[in-house]
Amino acid sequence: NAGVTQTPKFQVLKTGQSMTLQCAQDMNHNSMYWYRQDPGMGLRLIYYSASEGTTDKGEVPNGYNVSRLNKREFSLRLESAAPSQTSVYFCASNPRGQGGNIQYFGAGTRLSVL
Amino acid sequence: TQLLEQSPQFLSIQEGENLTVYCNSSSVFSSLQWYRQEPGEGPVLLVTVVTGGEVKKLKRLTFQFGDARKDSSLHITAAQPGDTGLYLCAGAGSGGYNKLIFGAGTRLAVHP
Repeated sequence: NAGVTQTPKFQVLKTGQSMTLQCAQDMNHNSMYWYRQDPGMGLRLIYYSASEGTTDKGEVPNGYNVSRLNKREFSLRLESAAPSQTSVYFCASNPRGQGGNIQYFGAGTRLSVL
Repeated sequence: TQLLEQSPQFLSIQEGENLTVYCNSSSVFSSLQWYRQEPGEGPVLLVTVVTGGEVKKLKRLTFQFGDARKDSSLHITAAQPGDTGLYLCAGAGSGGYNKLIFGAGTRLAVHP
């Protein structure tokens, strides 16, 4: 029972390089989310997808793009990485687009931008 | 902008002690969730509270939602080393689609 799977688990980039973080869920959930977690700042929402075919900006979208490839997959792309994007990135999913429901998280991608 | 403030930020205690973690806001939330996160893992839901004044118990953990639905607390009785981790509160924001507003977290260390 995989739940939410994120790849890669670790990545080191040089400033200006691009990369895509992958996320897939096998729970048939409608909504998916990308967060970043920085020390002392909790989890901040980057982008979310309420349902297949839709994406919307969260609290900190600058420097990122997303693609909801299908119901299972939601990817996060950094076009030109900057040191300020060094963080731990979490993908999450939620079964319905209703407030108050559980979010299921992946194990995270630890990204360092040098 | 809805914000959630957690306190304390760090807590280091001995096994068997009691502790309380607080989560406060000036905004009203439709529900509030508590997650626990272990090193190298994503957060895992502990509980959701929905009704003002609601109290929920999960073994030695007691969660309370404030009457005005602006604050919450987590009380652990007789803490054990297995309780060590990062505790996050999260409020269901006004934007719908289960967009959660997270507190910065309380990092708890319980020493044998």
